[in-house]
Amino acid sequence: GAGVSQTPSNKVTEKGKYVELRCDPISGHTALYWYRQSLGQGPEFLIYFQGTGAADDSGLPNDRFFAVRPEGSVSTLKIQRTERGDSAVYLCASSRQATPDTQYFGPGTRLTVL
Amino acid sequence: AQTVTQSQPEMSVQEAETVTLSCTYDTSESDYYLFWYKQPPSRQMILVIRQEAYKQQNATENRFSVNFQKAAKSFSLKISDSQLGDAAMYFCAYRSSSGNQFYFGTGTSLTVIP
Repeated sequence: GAGVSQTPSNKVTEKGKYVELRCDPISGHTALYWYRQSLGQGPEFLIYFQGTGAADDSGLPNDRFFAVRPEGSVSTLKIQRTERGDSAVYLCASSRQATPDTQYFGPGTRLTVL
Repeated sequence: AQTVTQSQPEMSVQEAETVTLSCTYDTSESDYYLFWYKQPPSRQMILVIRQEAYKQQNATENRFSVNFQKAAKSFSLKISDSQLGDAAMYFCAYRSSSGNQFYFGTGTSLTVIP
């Protein structure tokens, strides 16, 4: 079946702009996660959804970052007033149940802030 | 927060030989999960193997096996009969049985020499 998909694959924007990154999880997966992977680092947790609600957003670095999942499927990560330090690969993952199932990752969106 | 340490930024192995990647972690919990993920240049994280902490038996998946030492908080990955397609970044990850976050190490870049 189809895996986790993310669009766009690459996004280049200018400092101060607003961006949206989209994640389509595997059909039927109720849990969805966003991670940020900076160059040379492992993925860093941002936010976790169970269904439509954000069950854990403790990893969001500041209030410029926001994510939604209005219908419990597709999720959008929104970044306001982007900064050069936001440049990274943003990974999305989904799983069939919140715990302790294994996460399946998408290919990520590479965000570059000039 | 839990920490995961991969002390080998880079490793290389001859094709058909065996290589072991190291991982240590720090936790006060007794029940948790450990994972090894592979990340090729395509960026998509692929699950290689998982281990439940309550299981004493080391997990194996074909050519991949782990050496799980719970008391030492060590979780190494052994790749036997290395193939060119094994070349990638390998990340060790920890997940609490009660939580939703994955904690990743900084990765080990594996090169397979023909």
